[in-house]
Amino acid sequence: AQKVTQAQTEISVVEKEDVTLDCVYETRDTTYYLFWYKQPPSGELVFLIRRNSFDEQNEISGRYSWNFQKSTSSFNFTITASQVVDSAVYFCALTQMIKAAGNKLTFGGGTRVLVKP
Amino acid sequence: EAGVTQFPSHSVIEKGQTVTLRCDPISGHDNLYWYRRVMGKEIKFLLHFVKESKQDESGMPNNRFLAERTGGTYSTLKVQPAELEDSGVYFCASSLLADLGGETQYFGPGTRLLVL
Repeated sequence: AQKVTQAQTEISVVEKEDVTLDCVYETRDTTYYLFWYKQPPSGELVFLIRRNSFDEQNEISGRYSWNFQKSTSSFNFTITASQVVDSAVYFCALTQMIKAAGNKLTFGGGTRVLVKP
Repeated sequence: EAGVTQFPSHSVIEKGQTVTLRCDPISGHDNLYWYRRVMGKEIKFLLHFVKESKQDESGMPNNRFLAERTGGTYSTLKVQPAELEDSGVYFCASSLLADLGGETQYFGPGTRLLVL
């Protein structure tokens, strides 16, 4: 069985502060994908990143960066110099890398980020 | 390119009534998924279509839920009769069909269902 844990339910920061969202996962699979999605107040889930279990390189995209550590089963997400528009709920998710498995996503509970001006 | 669309955006019904949710995936996406987020809980998988076939319906809560994807295009999710615990946000997602699997799923805006 797969499980994703986002221990932080809510984080509040002041604009321009950095914020790191933790994601810890459990899986018996040796190959898998990890994802982060953003849910702004409008409600839709916006894809941010997909990372496969073979690639442990950290990734940076603008003010966003991701730290994947297989040894600790973590896939943490950092927003640098946060802005009010970053206020949203962020979800970490996991799926198997086997087509026959169907690739359903297992989600964490989400972390609500509130960036105050 | 149009994203995943869902209709209606909101639905308020009384217990015992029937509601049908619709999802139009991104054109060319053979994979279509339904998920649900009940208040205060995680987003949970309901079922997965590959084209018009049900690949995995292990997440469907009970036989009051019926999903269809006739012709392999849009999908409907019918709840009949609706119960109070069915309230939540129903998300639809679609993705390309790839050999390795694990293709990125793109989500619609969700349908907010409230059963009174």
